[in-house]
Amino acid sequence: GEDVEQSLFLSVREGDSSVINCTYTDSSSTYLYWYKQEPGAGLQLLTYIFSNMDMKQDQRLTVLLNKKDKHLSLRIADTQTGDSAIYFCAESPANQAGTALIFGKGTTLSVSS
Amino acid sequence: AAGVIQSPRHLIKEKRETATLKCYPIPRHDTVYWYQQGPGQDPQFLISFYEKMQSDKGSIPDRFSAQQFSDYHSELNMSSLELGDSALYFCASSLGAGQTGGNEKLFFGSGTQLSVL
Repeated sequence: GEDVEQSLFLSVREGDSSVINCTYTDSSSTYLYWYKQEPGAGLQLLTYIFSNMDMKQDQRLTVLLNKKDKHLSLRIADTQTGDSAIYFCAESPANQAGTALIFGKGTTLSVSS
Repeated sequence: AAGVIQSPRHLIKEKRETATLKCYPIPRHDTVYWYQQGPGQDPQFLISFYEKMQSDKGSIPDRFSAQQFSDYHSELNMSSLELGDSALYFCASSLGAGQTGGNEKLFFGSGTQLSVL
């Protein structure tokens, strides 16, 4: 079955870059996503990448996709304390409306000043 | 911009009671999803609807049911509540694949925190 794996914790200093890694299993996933969840809040879509791309940049965020290894990463440049949150990687295993996203367990990013 | 609206924000119930959670998707979105997130857990998919028809089913217990109405809002009905049902329940909405070419960008509501005592 589908499975999305992430490391559970990452701790960085303010101003450093953060890299959160994710591996997924379903090669049919057309899109892959990164969501951010702050304490007590819902999931916020940060960015996504189409499976025929290997990189996407959006301001401080850079997504790298290695489709051969089924590896996805999210790089946050100049990490700020406001970036402290849980980051979920998600895949969409089938290309039809209403198909659920499969989430990883989430990586807790802690940013110290 | 309008977001996904969920109500209530918090709900406290006792064991064996019933609960109804409501979700109002972003205008023009035709697909809704329900997720359950236990403390410290990742969101677990329960069920989804596209154009008022069930489109995908996950780990939804038989005690739960859901539907999507003609105005696209959705309700999750939970009966015979158990202590283990205590969780944050998220609704998400998206524009179906027919519109977006399969990019299921889900937009989540703030969730309903259900506590079963």
